[in-house]
Amino acid sequence: GDSVTQMEGPVTLSEEAFLTINCTYTATGYPSLFWYVQYPGEGLQLLLKATKADDKGSNKGFEATYRKETTSFHLEKGSVQVSDSAVYFCALSENIRTGNQFYFGTGTSLTVIP
Amino acid sequence: EPEVTQTPSHQVTQMGQEVILRCVPISNHLYFYWYRQILGQKVEFLVSFYNNEISEKSEIFDDQFSVERPDGSNFTLKIRSTKLEDSAMYFCASSGQGAWNQPQHFGDGTRLSIL
Repeated sequence: GDSVTQMEGPVTLSEEAFLTINCTYTATGYPSLFWYVQYPGEGLQLLLKATKADDKGSNKGFEATYRKETTSFHLEKGSVQVSDSAVYFCALSENIRTGNQFYFGTGTSLTVIP
Repeated sequence: EPEVTQTPSHQVTQMGQEVILRCVPISNHLYFYWYRQILGQKVEFLVSFYNNEISEKSEIFDDQFSVERPDGSNFTLKIRSTKLEDSAMYFCASSGQGAWNQPQHFGDGTRLSIL
């Protein structure tokens, strides 16, 4: 079945450090891939998405490229800020008969220290 | 920007009682979902709902659970005879289209604590 495997956390970085959070997936078809972010006490917010191979999603300085050959969708940011501290979830979506079912990774907690 | 709203933010209930978690999806959305996140674990799909009926459900969504869209705005999750292991964060989501490349929009969640 479909699944998402995420790099385990927690991750602690200094401000302005480079961030990579690894995500790989297993899917039967051609899924769309997403990164969601969850700030403390809040729900899941869409960070970025990519819908086909070689697409790059980007938002707020974060980027991720849909790599079909390696079944990966790693999240990167060149210079993290304290405000980026949150839990990051990689997810994939495949079409089901009506609607789309999401499969989430376990989440990676990021703490950025000044 | 329109958002999905969930109430209450925290629900504390005695084991064996029934709870109803409420969600107001984004007004022009047609597809609705419930997810569960047990503390420290991954977000798990429970059920999807379209055109006034369940379209998909996971193994977690057994006879203890039910969903309903009682009017044009609310989408509820009912859990009968709650168990300790039902303690989790429950997220409602909605999407405007069912296409697989469309994101789902999530509420802030209801934290359910079963005592």
